[in-house]
Amino acid sequence: QKEVEQNSGPLSVPEGAIASLNCTYSDRGSQSFFWYRQYSGKSPELIMFIYSNGDKEDGRFTAQLNKASQYVSLLIRDSQPSDSATYLCAVRISDYKLSFGAGTTVTVRA
Amino acid sequence: NAGVTQTPKFRILKIGQSMTLQCAQDMNHNYMYWYRQDPGMGLKLIYYSVGAGITDKGEVPNGYNVSRSTTEDFPLRLELAAPSQTSVYFCASSSDRLEQFFGPGTRLTVL
Repeated sequence: QKEVEQNSGPLSVPEGAIASLNCTYSDRGSQSFFWYRQYSGKSPELIMFIYSNGDKEDGRFTAQLNKASQYVSLLIRDSQPSDSATYLCAVRISDYKLSFGAGTTVTVRA
Repeated sequence: NAGVTQTPKFRILKIGQSMTLQCAQDMNHNYMYWYRQDPGMGLKLIYYSVGAGITDKGEVPNGYNVSRSTTEDFPLRLELAAPSQTSVYFCASSSDRLEQFFGPGTRLTVL
């Protein structure tokens, strides 16, 4: 079983809709979770992190964490064409190391 | 601040050749990382460092070596390049356990 699993997509949503991305992880002891955005041909950039159960909102982005179900998600509200990218879920597996999922590619249709 | 810089941006190697991928950061971060990213795959950790003089292996260290003589620099050495090392290589740094800052990447092809 992979440490971090994501649906690869592509996930296609119309402009203005909500994009919902899911991520599951295998280590029940994991404490910190991250969402990175990666535009094609570019490097990943952090958009959110979460470590408490529940929701965390930052602008149009909401991260949701459910440790009992070992599940973390990212919602993108009012999706814009500029949100078209690959979104990488990452889980902290030790003090200094992250484990990354393969990413979900999102395409926002104008 | 330039952030994390990597050179070269692109490189083609022949099988059996060696090269060093350069990485530097000017944010005084203690932690530095080397990842590789294959098409449709996530980032795989090759090596990491928690400070000058201290390095350790990640998930996929075979065929690579690193050194960390200064806080700023963390070069990755490929010895005897193989086609399986064709990938995009990212260097990253962080000051804490939260955000990792990534460099622009090096696209390497081994033929």
